[in-house]
Amino acid sequence: QVQLKESGPGLVHPSQTLSLTCTVSGFSLTNYHVSWVRQPPGKGLEWMGVMWTGGRTAYNSLLKSRLTISRDTSRGQVFLEMNSLQTEDTASYYCVRGFYSHYNLFDYWGQGVMVTVSS
Amino acid sequence: DIRMTQSPASLSASLGEAVNFECLASEDIYSDLAWYQQKPGKSPQLLIYNANSLQNGVPSRFSGDRSGTQFSLKINSLQPEDVATYFCQQYNNYPTFGSGTKLEIK
Repeated sequence: QVQLKESGPGLVHPSQTLSLTCTVSGFSLTNYHVSWVRQPPGKGLEWMGVMWTGGRTAYNSLLKSRLTISRDTSRGQVFLEMNSLQTEDTASYYCVRGFYSHYNLFDYWGQGVMVTVSS
Repeated sequence: DIRMTQSPASLSASLGEAVNFECLASEDIYSDLAWYQQKPGKSPQLLIYNANSLQNGVPSRFSGDRSGTQFSLKINSLQPEDVATYFCQQYNNYPTFGSGTKLEIK
């Protein structure tokens, strides 16, 4: 069945770089788009960016200067790197699968990984 | 960016009661509107897309509607397992979400 699972450090120091991995199963990254979405504690959801099936990416304009999304299709993994982290980046980070017809409609979500930015 | 405004921020209702959530888009998004349910401590789950299409496996007590740029989600008969926060999201352009409505049992 379709699964997405995020992994990465739970704690990152301010000004450092966050690196997360999303490992997918039950579908191919060449057939479905995968995005990253984050949610600060007790707050709403923010789309961060997408890895399209063809390998191109698009980013939220507010995060674009700090964010890089990449992938390894053979391993079924999508990566997120975000630099210059601040306390406001404390959030649960989700990788999500895009609908077959719309990259920006999300039918499967990972369990999420909580990342705290603190010294 | 397209802004999505949800109301109310929270609501409390009795079991078996009908519940309505509202979501207003800042511009025309046609029917490119989804609703998600997020139970406490869990990831969001897709309930409705295309403003009124039920995702597979979602109970039929959930329904969606559209009137111009105003969207609504209705639960016909509130069940205990419906306690959650509900988010709307537009996918007409780069995706943006509403701030959510937290539903509790009275």
